[in-house]
Amino acid sequence: DTAVSQTPKYLVTQMGNDKSIKCEQNLGHDTMYWYKQDSKKFLKIMFSYNNKELIINETVPNRFSPKSPDKAHLNLHINSLELGDSAVYFCASSQFADRQSYSYEQYFGPGTRLTVT
Amino acid sequence: KNQVEQSPQSLIILEGKNCTLQCNYTVSPFSNLRWYKQDTGRGPVSLTIMTFSENTKSNGRYTATLDADTKQSSLHITASQLSDSASYICVVAGTASKLTFGTGTRLQVTL
Repeated sequence: DTAVSQTPKYLVTQMGNDKSIKCEQNLGHDTMYWYKQDSKKFLKIMFSYNNKELIINETVPNRFSPKSPDKAHLNLHINSLELGDSAVYFCASSQFADRQSYSYEQYFGPGTRLTVT
Repeated sequence: KNQVEQSPQSLIILEGKNCTLQCNYTVSPFSNLRWYKQDTGRGPVSLTIMTFSENTKSNGRYTATLDADTKQSSLHITASQLSDSASYICVVAGTASKLTFGTGTRLQVTL
């Protein structure tokens, strides 16, 4: 009965490779997010999708491409991985978050620890 | 520049003791302020969400306060337990649909 799940939990890969991280939520939420948490534990939003539509796209290299096949899934594909991409990536979901406020509680997945060597 | 600063960076307390974590922010405009608990190797879990008009909110042994005038918030933990050992992250939502995260306070509760 996991609310927000991510796969894989750990991902070790070499520079230059392409990899994907999958996220699924069974909460019936409309909005999903990808966050990056760096080595200093600082969380930063990367993308947000509402009902399969991109609503937030922070300053993220275009090597990162989110894909939302339906509102329960938001996958993250990363091309040409670099050392600086090493981090923990968190998926989250919430009820609809409009552009004016973020009143709704966000539920986070367990994270995917990506290590680029 | 929107910023959220938390103090202390880390804290060690004995089981059963109380503690208070601080959060100062410069996010404007302001929509709401949240406190999250993040256990090691896990995703953050929401403890409280407070809007502009709320100045205190409790969740069990956790009590958050908000002073929107001074742009300060605190999270008070009562009768700490070993399971309270975690990072506590203060997050401020602005009406520009962006969340600004603090870097967290690492709390360790010991016997």
